Amino acid sequence: GQNIDQPTEMTATEGAIVQINCTYQTSGFNGLFWYQQHAGEAPTFLSYNVLDGLEEKGRFSSFLSRSKGYSYLLLKELQMKDSASYLCAVVDSNYQLIWGAGTKLIIKP
Amino acid sequence: IAGITQAPTSQILAAGRRMTLRCTQDMRHNAMYWYRQDLGLGLRLIHYSNTAGTTGKGEVPDGYSVSRANTDDFPLTLASAVPSQTSVYFCASSDSGDHDTGELFFGEGSRLTVL
Repeated sequence: GQNIDQPTEMTATEGAIVQINCTYQTSGFNGLFWYQQHAGEAPTFLSYNVLDGLEEKGRFSSFLSRSKGYSYLLLKELQMKDSASYLCAVVDSNYQLIWGAGTKLIIKP
Repeated sequence: IAGITQAPTSQILAAGRRMTLRCTQDMRHNAMYWYRQDLGLGLRLIHYSNTAGTTGKGEVPDGYSVSRANTDDFPLTLASAVPSQTSVYFCASSDSGDHDTGELFFGEGSRLTVL
């Protein structure tokens, strides 16, 4: 079966750095997405990785290792508004999007 | 403001009733999708449409139907609602020609409670 694993919940302090991990076992790989979802709102796109390495976009970076079936989302200089769920999703060989259950990130002052 | 509009935002429905969730996009995207989101589970695809006039079944299609008469509209119908269909429903669209390889743009969601 296909599987995406993320921690259910993480807590971090305002101003700090946090890394949210995502491991996957899928039938093939055609890219990995990260989305942010604030409580009661729609998911919004954060990043897309298809090649190994680090993609940086402001305070957010996303890393991919295809050989390890692993990605992480790195959030720097955390702000209270970063409190949200972060969803990892993988595109498999049939171009189906497989979603993880999401990681709820709680930011404390 | 360009984007995806869903209606209703919230609805309480008696079991056995028929319900249609509406979804309209003004971005001229080819592909549209319906997902349900339940606590502790990832987004699950119900139905999708790669282009106007075509539809396909996702991971959890039973009890749901869709139509895609034009590019902009993609309604989801529950023919006879059951309590297990209580969920938050998200409509999404993508500019990608391939199924689910492009960035998805989501509507604000429709919270449905079936009693």
